[in-house]
Parts: sequence; C-alpha cells; structure tokens
Amino acid sequence: NAGVTQTPKFRVLKTGQSMTLLCAQDMNHEYMYWYRQDPGMGLRLIHYSVGEGTTAKGEVPDGYNVSRLKKQNFLLGLESAAPSQTSVYFCATDGLAGGQTGIINEQFFGPGTRLTVL
Amino acid sequence: AQRVTQPEKLLSVFKGAPVELKCNYSYSGSPELFWYVQYSRQRLQLLLRHISRESIKGFTADLNKGETSFHLKKPFAQEEDSAMYYCALLNQAGTALIFGKGTTLSVSS
Repeated sequence: NAGVTQTPKFRVLKTGQSMTLLCAQDMNHEYMYWYRQDPGMGLRLIHYSVGEGTTAKGEVPDGYNVSRLKKQNFLLGLESAAPSQTSVYFCATDGLAGGQTGIINEQFFGPGTRLTVL
Repeated sequence: AQRVTQPEKLLSVFKGAPVELKCNYSYSGSPELFWYVQYSRQRLQLLLRHISRESIKGFTADLNKGETSFHLKKPFAQEEDSAMYYCALLNQAGTALIFGKGTTLSVSS
C-alpha cells in the first residue's frame, strides 16, 4: 500500500499562475487535510474534508480552494499564486480502516510538496 | 480560544542528558493532546497521545490540567532523537488538529 501520496514533489510558479496539488490515499480514510509548513510558523491547516463531497476551511484558507470529488483524492488549488504561498504543503488523512466511518485521531501524512512562487 | 504554544524553537542537548520539550495549551473542557515528530527526510508521524499513557522510544508526556501543559520528556537523549517535534490539540468539534509551531531538538555527542 502506498499510503498517502502527493503530486508533484516540487514546483516553481510565477506570480499569478495557477496549479493544483493532488493528494491520494489508499487507506480508505474519511478525513483528509491540507497543511502548509513554514519556518517559525509550524503546521497550519488550510482546508479539510470529513468525507467525499465535503470540505471545510481551516486556519489559513485564503487564496486556496479544495475539492473532494472522490474519497481517495483531495485536491488543493491555487488560482493565482503569490510569493506568500511559497511553502511546503502536506496532506494528511485520518480515519478507521476497513471502510468504517469515524476518526481515530492519528493523522497519516504525505511526503510533502515544496512550492516556490517567484 | 483553542491554542497550542511551544515556547522553544530550538532545544540543544548533549547525548545522555534529559530532555523536556514544552507544550502549553488553551482549551475549554477536557483536551486531547498529541505529540508528532518529523525526522530528517521522513514524514511527520504520531509519537504519542495522552489518552494512551504510553511510552514511545523512551518518551513520555503527562497532561497537567492545572498548568495546562503537556510536556514531552525523555530521561536520556539519543542522537537519533534529533528531529522536529510538534504538539497538537484536537479541536472542539473533534474534526481537526491544532498544531503548535514546533520545536527542533538537536542532540549532539
């Protein structure tokens, strides 16, 4: 099992460009999260989803959009990238195994995407 | 307000010395607290959670409601403990974690 994967691993954008980060999981977890990690700021929650077709705002949602059309995928979009969005982005999942609903409060993280906006 | 504070950005100790990584929280009610660790070139992963009252890799953490703290301790640090440590708090809705800013632990010989 691959667990949680993120695509791409690295990306450089120019200001104003758009892009989508893909998070995929094969753990059948209900909950998925997008974080950004910045030096001195720790991990900050951008958006999250408690199930297919649902999304919710986290601590720093401005400038980002998300979609959860399929249970296994959680997309993070930047419509018009800004230098302030230069960061490492992490996806995480949480949930019970075997397709059961619920949360276990142990998050499983992807390897991260390093994004630079020039 | 729900908040996690890790006052130290960097903690440097020598091998064999005791380690205490500080974490304070703000929360109404009974909190659920966690420690996550990120070793170099590895994924962030759960180290321990307070409800389990377990010891992982020699680390323990006790919830002190009076001091609103959940400090991570280890009696004898090892070089392989060098990593970034995050304290996290489950939000009131039970749907997401609130992370502190993290503390980098550096253990040298």
